[in-house]
Amino acid sequence: DADVTQTPRNRITKTGKRIMLECSQTKGHDRMYWYRQDPGLGLRLIYYSFDVKDINKGEISDGYSVSRQAQAKFSLSLESAIPNQTALYFCATSDFRTAQETQYFGPGTRLLVL
Amino acid sequence: SQQGEEDPQALSIQEGENATMNCSYKTSINNLQWYRQNSGRGLVHLILIRSNEREKHSGRLRVTLDTSKKSSSLLITASRAADTASYFCAHTGRRALTFGSGTRLQVQP
Repeated sequence: DADVTQTPRNRITKTGKRIMLECSQTKGHDRMYWYRQDPGLGLRLIYYSFDVKDINKGEISDGYSVSRQAQAKFSLSLESAIPNQTALYFCATSDFRTAQETQYFGPGTRLLVL
Repeated sequence: SQQGEEDPQALSIQEGENATMNCSYKTSINNLQWYRQNSGRGLVHLILIRSNEREKHSGRLRVTLDTSKKSSSLLITASRAADTASYFCAHTGRRALTFGSGTRLQVQP
């Protein structure tokens, strides 16, 4: 969905480095999510936010932190990257007003930690 | 750990055939959704079925839901090579979606 953008699209980093992945949306949605996907697997939820002042841990939050700087922006940080954080990372949004929770995904960021 | 399982993990069919994928889940749900993912791309929402619905259609897609068995199925009729992708079910839990492990569908032209 072009209304949800992620930067960078690809990133190579070294163990121990701090990196940030950014997500922006123009859909006007209040809810935003970060997921990771490992090869051949489904998505696992890292963090989610229902509003600018709302941050919630997901299934696999250890080693990650997030910041909801504005309604349209939700960034994910890896405090000290490790190789098993190599994965495909997706940002998603949804609109509570539709009461359906359909999520709209960004194109993904492919992260390689050496 | 993921709370959904999909079956089969991989499916290969010929163009024109029907493809059926199944999904099971463990908790009570508000709705169940199916998403499609082309290789390495973001997921795209296909169809949503509410917990009080038993069947829903959208174009060549047919979704069923059996809340007593905690299972759903996605049928793609008259498949095309362009349907080649991974398909995921996801259900709304207390606050966020939980995704299944996905079915990789290969449609041979």
